[in-house]
Amino acid sequence: AQKVTQAQTEISVVEKEDVTLDCVYETRDTTYYLFWYKQPPSGELVFLIRRNSFDEQNEISGRYSWNFQKSTSSFNFTITASQVVDSAVYFCALSEANMLTFGGGTRLMVKP
Amino acid sequence: DAGITQSPRHKVTETGTPVTLRCHQTENHRYMYWYRQDPGHGLRLIHYSYGVKDTDKGEVSDGYSVSRSKTEDFLLTLESATSSQTSVYFCAISVGGGREGHEQYFGPGTRLTVT
Repeated sequence: AQKVTQAQTEISVVEKEDVTLDCVYETRDTTYYLFWYKQPPSGELVFLIRRNSFDEQNEISGRYSWNFQKSTSSFNFTITASQVVDSAVYFCALSEANMLTFGGGTRLMVKP
Repeated sequence: DAGITQSPRHKVTETGTPVTLRCHQTENHRYMYWYRQDPGHGLRLIHYSYGVKDTDKGEVSDGYSVSRSKTEDFLLTLESATSSQTSVYFCAISVGGGREGHEQYFGPGTRLTVT
């Protein structure tokens, strides 16, 4: 069975700090996909990134970056120079046969 | 915007009553999903559908049934609501035509309270 663990339930930072959200996964599949979603206080779920298991290159999108390490089964998400608008719950997810398994989420609070 | 709507958006119901939640999509996606979100559990899959009249169970399917008579509509029914089914329910679609590993896009959610 697949499993996704987000050990940090809540993180609080001050604006402009960098912050890393951890995600560790378990799967027996050799081909799999990993995702990050953002859930702002308004409640909707926003897709951020999808990464397949054969692509271990780090990805950067503006202030967001993702570090995928197959050796440690981790797919961590870093926000550089955090802003108040980054305050949200962030979910990591793993795909198996068209179904997603989600981690429990990390609530990020960015204070001005 | 993946063109997903959910109705109702909020509902309060009493224990033992039947409840049906509706998910509607406008883009003809084959795969549709129902999740529930509870504190500390992230989102958990209830049921999913891979076509008209084709459905399967997810991780937390007990107490729920689904139906898909048209591509655009996926219904979730609680036959006899219980307090443990108080939750936020999200519908989702998968892009990619059924190939594995494609991202899912979510509807706005339905907050259900069972008293």
